[in-house]
Amino acid sequence: SQTIHQWPATLVQPVGSPLSLECTVEGTSNPNLYWYRQAAGRGLQLLFYSVGIGQISSEVPQNLSASRPQDRQFILSSKKLLLSDSGFYLCAWSVSTGWDSPLHFGNGTRLTVT
Amino acid sequence: QKEVEQNSGPLSVPEGAIASLNCTYSDRVSQSFFWYRQYSGKSPELIMSIYSNGDKEDGRFTAQLNKASQYVSLLIRDSQPSDSATYLCAVATGGYQKVTFGTGTKLQVIP
Repeated sequence: SQTIHQWPATLVQPVGSPLSLECTVEGTSNPNLYWYRQAAGRGLQLLFYSVGIGQISSEVPQNLSASRPQDRQFILSSKKLLLSDSGFYLCAWSVSTGWDSPLHFGNGTRLTVT
Repeated sequence: QKEVEQNSGPLSVPEGAIASLNCTYSDRVSQSFFWYRQYSGKSPELIMSIYSNGDKEDGRFTAQLNKASQYVSLLIRDSQPSDSATYLCAVATGGYQKVTFGTGTKLQVIP
């Protein structure tokens, strides 16, 4: 069966510091990978998605970036965090083909920028 | 107009009652529809998916889809206090699974 790992679970970072969140998927090959952010009391906002190694599409221009160095690894980064970057960051995966594949989420990282 | 709209609630129902959660979407070419349950502080968990008009039942859950009206709903029969959570409606459009989420409806099941 497929599993998705996301770490760390919680993170407190000062404004201006860098960020690196990592996500890995097990039990499947060539998944679609996604980064979402959920701000307090808000809906899920799609940040990035990837359909393959090195292929990243950005949905929202901001100071975050994503990379996919390996088939089942997805990394979210920032060089300098802003207060507005606080939120619940969720990595998700789906199978690479077909429109009938739901997203499956990791446990999330709660980021507080102070 | 929001792409996926849900009443934020809270929707309060007594234990054992039927909870009815509703969602409308704006993109007529949407193909896949999902319901997720999200407990406070946790990540969303898939509970139902539906792709064609009509009803789909899974245990105490029934998803209903009406593409002509651009409407999808979730019924929870015999509601339990453990069903208390926020329910997210998600709509997928496009071959790469661009999924748009509603802001969720908070359900409270009163013992």
